[in-house]
Amino acid sequence: EAGVTQSPTHLIKTRGQQATLRCSPISGHTSVYWYQQALGLGLQFLLWYDEGEERNRGNFPPRFSGRQFPNYSSELNVNALELEDSALYLCASVSTGGGDAGYTFGSGTRLTVV
Amino acid sequence: AQSVTQLGSHVSVSEGALVLLRCNYSSSVPPYLFWYVQYPNQGLQLLLKYTSAATLVKGINGFEAEFKKSETSFHLTKPSAHMSDAAEYFCAVSPGGTSYGKLTFGQGTILTVHP
Repeated sequence: EAGVTQSPTHLIKTRGQQATLRCSPISGHTSVYWYQQALGLGLQFLLWYDEGEERNRGNFPPRFSGRQFPNYSSELNVNALELEDSALYLCASVSTGGGDAGYTFGSGTRLTVV
Repeated sequence: AQSVTQLGSHVSVSEGALVLLRCNYSSSVPPYLFWYVQYPNQGLQLLLKYTSAATLVKGINGFEAEFKKSETSFHLTKPSAHMSDAAEYFCAVSPGGTSYGKLTFGQGTILTVHP
């Protein structure tokens, strides 16, 4: 079974540009979570999508947005990039049933803003 | 609201020694608790989880954790450290239930293993 897939692995953008990060959940998982891991700031919750709807949002400005597609894959968009947006962005999908219930994380997208 | 406190941002042990990483949580509802490990430039790998079944949870790579409601703790232990255990460890809590909900992380503990 394929795990959570994130693309691209690395992304370098210039301040003011837009970045698009993608996440494919494990087959059968309908919930996707996004986290930001910036240096010295730990893992901060960004967004939660379930069944195509945004369910919860962390304390981030509106230029962080996303969506979930009918196949449950998700996209995170960051507009008007700032230097402090440089971070590892992690996506997780959730299974709520059976012995494997829990959150499975992808390997992340390393975003560097220069 | 939920929160997690990991006591000690850095822990150093000798190879073969006991590993103890401390985690205390706060939750207004019965929680689900998790320990994840992160190696440099990688994502998070699940070590073990507590989801209201047995309070002593065994995970991968010889790690285990005990849920103690009275102490609001979920400390991670391993009897004998190996060099390959050197990594950053995160404790996390979610509200549980049927939809799991938002996962809230502690600040992480960097484990160093000396030969």
